Amino acid sequence: AQKVTQAQTEISVVEKEDVTLDCVYETRDTTYYLFWYKQPPSGELVFLIRRNSFDEQNEISGRYSWNFQKSTSSFNFTITASQVVDSAVYFCALGGGYQKVTFGIGTKLQVIP
Amino acid sequence: NAGVTQTPKFRVLKTGQSMTLLCAQDMNHEYMYWYRQDPGMGLRLIHYSVGEGTTAKGEVPDGYNVSRLKKQNFLLGLESAAPSQTSVYFCASSAGGRIEQYFGPGTRLTVT
Repeated sequence: AQKVTQAQTEISVVEKEDVTLDCVYETRDTTYYLFWYKQPPSGELVFLIRRNSFDEQNEISGRYSWNFQKSTSSFNFTITASQVVDSAVYFCALGGGYQKVTFGIGTKLQVIP
Repeated sequence: NAGVTQTPKFRVLKTGQSMTLLCAQDMNHEYMYWYRQDPGMGLRLIHYSVGEGTTAKGEVPDGYNVSRLKKQNFLLGLESAAPSQTSVYFCASSAGGRIEQYFGPGTRLTVT
């Protein structure tokens, strides 16, 4: 069975602070994909990134960066210099089993101006 | 290019009533999914489809039925609504089974 754990249910930071959202996963599959999605207060779910299990390179996209460490089964997401528009619920997800993607329960990030 | 659309956006039902939620995608995706989102529980998969004419059960299928008669549409039915089905329902589609999914805007359903 696959499992995604987002231990931080809510985080509050002051604008311009850096923040890291943790994601730990469990799977028996040797090939799998990891994802992050953003759900702003408006409610829609927005895909942010996909990483496959063979690619442990960190990725940076503007103020966003992702750290994939297979040794610790983690796929953490860092927002640098946070902004109010970053306030949202962020979901980590694992695509391991055939046709199935398992989502974590989400981390609610509040950026205070 | 609208992506994934859902109809309706809001609905209030009485216990025992039935309804159908419609999901449509214009990305020619093979895979489509229905999830429900409840506070503190993340997204839970109800049913999914890997192609036109196929459906399969997800994590929480009881009380729901689905149909995929056309590739671009995926319908979610509630035959006899219960208060436990009060939730936000999301439809999603993807080009493959384990790659990124694209979500619709959601339907907020309240069953009284």
